[in-house]
Amino acid sequence: DTEVTQTPKHLVMGMTNKKSLKCEQHMGHRAMYWYKQKAKKPPELMFVYSYEKLSINESVPSRFSPECPNSSLLNLHLHALQPEDSALYLCASSPPGFNQPQHFGDGTRLSIL
Amino acid sequence: GQQLNQSPQSMFIQEGEDVSMNCTSSSIFNTWLWYKQEPGEGPVLLIALYKAGELTSNGRLTAQFGITRKDSFLNISASIPSDVGIYFCAGRKVTSGSRLTFGEGTQLTVNP
Repeated sequence: DTEVTQTPKHLVMGMTNKKSLKCEQHMGHRAMYWYKQKAKKPPELMFVYSYEKLSINESVPSRFSPECPNSSLLNLHLHALQPEDSALYLCASSPPGFNQPQHFGDGTRLSIL
Repeated sequence: GQQLNQSPQSMFIQEGEDVSMNCTSSSIFNTWLWYKQEPGEGPVLLIALYKAGELTSNGRLTAQFGITRKDSFLNISASIPSDVGIYFCAGRKVTSGSRLTFGEGTQLTVNP
């Protein structure tokens, strides 16, 4: 069982909808990440939050909007997505300190109609 | 672009056989991580390596951080059907901050 919890597990939405993905961890980790993963491919980094501040945005389109309300929660707000945005969205977290490994949740499987 | 070469891309083996996979790069890494991903789940951390030459085991799994800091390998001994999945290597460079560079993955199939 993963200690990084993502909800919902599955999400189907139309291109005009607005929805949010949620990620939660209670391990005291202070860095949290959003990744996008296509089938049988490695995860691709989207955003990194460090101590609740956005530290990396990998040139992600503005239809994806991250939010880190506190050290345990990470959201990804979705609006006006495209069919090519259908993928597994993974959240990860890592402990404080340099060089700590990232621990992943089980992801949200997103389908855009 | 992708800077880690992971091989083999896929492996089909019989239960009980040993497995070896590796990742190589032209860049130097200061951390190597090995993950396993099963269908419907996220990647699970198997082994983390932090020093050149480091050899670390986790049950039937053994991984090494190459002396040149440009490669790493993962061995699985006496494979069992539940070893099936995609294995990803990931490296972190000193200059990358918290970014990981992932290999393309090795798809392992174990026949009972």
